[in-house]
Amino acid sequence: AQKITQTQPGMFVQEKEAVTLDCTYDTSDQSYGLFWYKQPSSGEMIFLIYQGSYDEQNATEGRYSLNFQKARKSANLVISASQLGDSAMYFCAMNGGGADGLTFGKGTHLIIQP
Amino acid sequence: NAGVTQTPKFQVLKTGQSMTLQCAQDMNHEYMSWYRQDPGMGLRLIHYSVGAGITDQGEVPNGYNVSRSTTEDFPLRLLSAAPSQTSVYFCASSYSWEMNTEAFFGQGTRLTVV
Repeated sequence: AQKITQTQPGMFVQEKEAVTLDCTYDTSDQSYGLFWYKQPSSGEMIFLIYQGSYDEQNATEGRYSLNFQKARKSANLVISASQLGDSAMYFCAMNGGGADGLTFGKGTHLIIQP
Repeated sequence: NAGVTQTPKFQVLKTGQSMTLQCAQDMNHEYMSWYRQDPGMGLRLIHYSVGAGITDQGEVPNGYNVSRSTTEDFPLRLLSAAPSQTSVYFCASSYSWEMNTEAFFGQGTRLTVV
């Protein structure tokens, strides 16, 4: 069984500051993938970034980077230079060796203040 | 470029009624899945399919039925709606079930059972 823990239910951050959203995971799979999705108030799920368990480099996509620490089982999302449009729910998720979909955390509600 | 299309976007049902949530994708993806999102719970997998004619249960399958007669369509049937099925439902598709594959989500269906 897989488990994702997001310990920050909500965060307030000033515009232009960097943001770190925490994610820890638990799995018995040797190979797995870690994902971050953004859900704005309009409700859709937007893929942000992916990290494979065997990837040696941390994933980056524009202003998003994933701070992957395998020994600590953490996969934190870092948003550099936050913008008002970054205000949303953020979900960490993972999948493993089987076909049984993604396991999601409960999410972090990020609010960017001007 | 439609991606994953869910219909309807909103639905109110009476307890005991049945209905089908429609999901269609135009990306020729083999893997499709249904999730429900409840407040404070993240997304949980209901059913999934690795290809036409093949379906399996996820974490919370009770009260739901699926079929996959074509690659494009993956409808979710509520057999006898209950208030506990009030939720937001997301359909997702991906190229394959393998761990490094991004899932594309539909816009969601907000279902209320009274």
